[in-house]
Amino acid sequence: AQSVTQLGSHVSVSEGALVLLRCNYSSSVPPYLFWYVQYPNQGLQLLLKYTTGATLVKGINGFEAEFKKSETSFHLTKPSAHMSDAAEYFCAVGRGGGADGLTFGKGTHLIIQP
Amino acid sequence: DTAVSQTPKYLVTQMGNDKSIKCEQNLGHDTMYWYKQDSKKFLKIMFSYNNKELIINETVPNRFSPKSPDKAHLNLHINSLELGDSAVYFCASSLSGSGNEQYFGPGTRLTVT
Repeated sequence: AQSVTQLGSHVSVSEGALVLLRCNYSSSVPPYLFWYVQYPNQGLQLLLKYTTGATLVKGINGFEAEFKKSETSFHLTKPSAHMSDAAEYFCAVGRGGGADGLTFGKGTHLIIQP
Repeated sequence: DTAVSQTPKYLVTQMGNDKSIKCEQNLGHDTMYWYKQDSKKFLKIMFSYNNKELIINETVPNRFSPKSPDKAHLNLHINSLELGDSAVYFCASSLSGSGNEQYFGPGTRLTVT
């Protein structure tokens, strides 16, 4: 069975500072990993995903994540935070199989200080 | 040109009532899902359908019954609503196959009073 742990339910950074959101996963099969963002009162939007190949994955809005198998981690980073980045961020792991859905972490609320 | 749409966006109803939420996708995907997001924003899968066939049925009360009339639609019917059913329900779709991203609808906020 898969599981996802997101460290820090709330993360606060200053505008222009580095954003680091942590995600660790547990999976009995090679993982497919995703980061989604949820803005207030909206659905989830895919930021990036890792399936196979290059372990450094670039996504939308300047975000990227690095898959580290030895650390079972998939942390999300952005070099310079913008006020518009304030949102809820979810790390998820594919449950395996063609239609098995995603297992989500509990989310991290990103706060941007002016 | 909405990819995944849900209706209604808000649903307020009393305990004991029966209600339905509709979902449609125009992405040509063959797999659709229902997720529940609770008050702490935790997301959990409820059901998945592939080509109209039920694939996942998590430990969801029998009061919840999904129906997929075709590959582009997945509806959720809830009988005898309870206070604990209050949540945001998200529909999503994807192509089948591991690693394919899911596209989410805007959500339906259900409030049971």
